[in-house]
Formats: sequence, structure tokens, C-alpha cells
Amino acid sequence: EVQLVQSGVEVKKSGESLKISCQGSGYAFSSYWINWVRLVPGKGLEWVGRIDTNYYYTNYNPSFEGHVTISVDKSITTAYLQWDSLKASDTAIYFCARPAEYSKYSPLAYWGQGTLVTVSS
Amino acid sequence: EIVLTQSPGTLSLSPGERATLSCRASQPVTNNYLAWFQHKPGQAPRLLIYRASTRSTGIPDRFSGSGSGTDFTLTINTLAPEDFAVYYCQQFGTSPTFGQGTKVEIK
Repeated sequence: EVQLVQSGVEVKKSGESLKISCQGSGYAFSSYWINWVRLVPGKGLEWVGRIDTNYYYTNYNPSFEGHVTISVDKSITTAYLQWDSLKASDTAIYFCARPAEYSKYSPLAYWGQGTLVTVSS
Repeated sequence: EIVLTQSPGTLSLSPGERATLSCRASQPVTNNYLAWFQHKPGQAPRLLIYRASTRSTGIPDRFSGSGSGTDFTLTINTLAPEDFAVYYCQQFGTSPTFGQGTKVEIK
């Protein structure tokens, strides 16, 4: 069974750094991209970016590029989303998601449970 | 960037009725790489439809998708109590984007 398990709730202050994780299991981890999607309550879903877990290529939403970094550690089948300097506007639930097939042009069929990030100013 | 505009913002319906949700793209969606998701509070989004009209595994046949190019529709025939949720369209091309969502609420 494909599973994506994310790290727990985070409460931070503006300016602090943060790295949240998403561990995949039940499938060949390096054969699929991992995407990150943000949910801001009352605002809907936003695609943050994605990483090719085999070759480490990344694509970012221009709105997030330069503010977040997506990385992966294949040895522990885990992807990461990190910030060097958080802002209050980063407060959201962050989901990782895996496409149905090995292609970045494939719909997001498997999702993690979400990580709530709260940033106070 | 492809902007997806969903309408209406909120749909108030009763169980058993049909829901028709629209998603309009600012430019043609490559290869009809258009998906629909259902989202309920406290849960992860659930993939319903991809490539505009293909139902994902395990999705009931009361959900159907149609459209191509810039105009897409999600239809839910005979709304079940568990179908009241927020629905998002997403184009999963070169730089994916989501629509702003349509809330289907109980009338």
C-alpha cells in the first residue's frame, strides 16, 4: 500500500527556519516525483513545487521560488520542504503528494496527511 | 501561468440533486491535463477525475468529467450526503495550478 507520512505540527516565529518531511513507503520511492501543495484556510489549494526523487530535478511555482527549497534523501525515502526565514503568511497546511505514474505530467493520486505550520509575527 | 477560474463559488443543493461545476482556463490546457479533486476539512484532497474525463480508481460513477481546451465540467449525479465538500480543478502541465474551488453545501 502506498503511504506518505508527514511530520507533525509546527509552531514557529517569523524569521525562523523550518524543514518538514514526507516519508514514502509501499512503492519504489525513486521512481516517482514528489509534489508539495499548500492549503491556506479560506483560500484554497496552491501548488508549491516538485522534485524528481531519482535525479533531484526541481520545479517551483514562481510565487514560492527563492523562498522555499524542496529536497530529498533517497536513502530514507523522504522528501523535504524547507524555509530559511519564515513569514506569517507561510501559515498553512502543507501536503506532499505523489503522481499516479512515473511522470511529472501525471495527476496527484496519493497524498500525505498534511502538516500544519503556524508562524507568528 | 494558466489561471483556472471555477464557478460558482458555492453551490447549495439537496441530496439527490445534480451538481454541475465549471472550470475555465485562461489558455488551452495541454493534452487535457485537467484533474478534479474533492476536499473535506481535516482530510487530504482526493483525486476524482484526470485527463478531464477519466475516473480515478474507486470513484463512484455518479462523478463524471467532460470538456477540453479551456472549458471543463465536473458533474455529480444524484448527490450523496458524503459528496458535500469543496471541489478543485487542477491543470497538471508544465507549471501546475489549481482553481479557487467550488463549495458544494447542503441546501
